[in-house]
Amino acid sequence: KNEVEQSPQNLTAQEGEFITINCSYSVGISALHWLQQHPGGGIVSLFMLSSGKKKHGRLIATINIQEKHSSLHITASHPRDSAVYICAVRGPGNQFYFGTGTSLTVIP
Amino acid sequence: NAGVMQNPRHLVRRRGQEARLRCSPMKGHSHVYWYRQLPEEGLKFMVYLQKENIIDESGMPKERFSAEFPKEGPSILRIQQVVRGDSAAYFCASSPRGLRPNTEAFFGQGTRLTVV
Repeated sequence: KNEVEQSPQNLTAQEGEFITINCSYSVGISALHWLQQHPGGGIVSLFMLSSGKKKHGRLIATINIQEKHSSLHITASHPRDSAVYICAVRGPGNQFYFGTGTSLTVIP
Repeated sequence: NAGVMQNPRHLVRRRGQEARLRCSPMKGHSHVYWYRQLPEEGLKFMVYLQKENIIDESGMPKERFSAEFPKEGPSILRIQQVVRGDSAAYFCASSPRGLRPNTEAFFGQGTRLTVV
């Protein structure tokens, strides 16, 4: 069983839709990252969370430490948001554990 | 302030050759982490280094793989006698200190290794 589980694995949305990607984890963590990976490209860190909620533009990330759950929301989605979104948690010993990613396609 | 720089971006090696992947951390960062992303799989931790020290190599294959982060210069991930199964994207991340709450790691663009 993976330490980090993401859902859904694949997501297709119409431009303008509100999108939610979920992440559940089973290890004790000191922080959680949401990462974005474009096809053929590198990885961009979107958020680092240890509690509560953060917002950058149209992106919102929340974390519930007690429930070991985080969500990434995209408001007013756009085709350029199409990418793989990866949840990563920082566990004991400073190792990262990664989800397998959610592949998002936003259709114009 | 340049981000984490990895080179080369793409590397092709024949079976049995050596692959050297370089990671230059962000300025002021002394902690480097290497990850591997196999095709159709998620990222997996390989090794965590601080300047001149390997802190945690629990994710490194026991043979053919080695990593270093010298006092001067980039961190190097070295794969000897590459095999087709080594084909993957290799990412590194850096942080200014050991990862504690509110310390963010920054990721490089990755090196895509293809073994033919």
